[in-house]
Amino acid sequence: QVQLQESGPGLVKPSETLSLTCTVSGDSIGNGDHYHWIRQQPGKAPEWIGNILYTGVTHYRTPLRSRVTISVDTSKNQFSLRLPSVTAADTAVYFCAITSSIDFYFYSWGQGIPITVSS
Amino acid sequence: DIQMTQSPSTLSASVGDSVTITCRASQSISKWVAWYQQKPGKAPRLLIYKASTLQSGVPSRFGGSGSGTEVTLTIHSLQPDDFATYFCQQYDTSPWTFGQGTKVEVK
Repeated sequence: QVQLQESGPGLVKPSETLSLTCTVSGDSIGNGDHYHWIRQQPGKAPEWIGNILYTGVTHYRTPLRSRVTISVDTSKNQFSLRLPSVTAADTAVYFCAITSSIDFYFYSWGQGIPITVSS
Repeated sequence: DIQMTQSPSTLSASVGDSVTITCRASQSISKWVAWYQQKPGKAPRLLIYKASTLQSGVPSRFGGSGSGTEVTLTIHSLQPDDFATYFCQQYDTSPWTFGQGTKVEVK
């Protein structure tokens, strides 16, 4: 059974860069599935940020496309999120999750990592 | 983006009750909807996909129905472990979007 675990800082200062990593266990990241980042801001619906394949091909939500970078390290079975120039609006719980390449429902999630942007 | 409007936002119920949660989509999503259960500090859990297909290991008291612009999740005979937040997600059209969630709490 595949499991995911997010890691990163819990607190980031405004204008700094948020970097998160998701470690995948129980399956190889090169199996053709899609690897996603999702965030949930306080009191709001979860928001899909973007995804990556093991080949490095990415897809991003349009409003975030200019800021977000998702990358993959198949040797470590990890994928990462980089979000520069954070503001208070980026305060959220960040989840990593997996879909197949055919049906984009999230069959496995990490437990989420709360990120606060504050000085 | 397709908007998913979920209702109610909170639902008070007792063990043994049946409850229904509804998601309305801003345009047709056919049957491309999933439902998740979320508990504080834990990974969301996939319950149902393709509107009505139960994920492996999910109890049969969970059921999904509907298509087009309205889908529902029903929990029959609510159990203590079912008190949680539930949310829907459409995967008909990218970007994938979610409902705001329904908290099922103890009456």
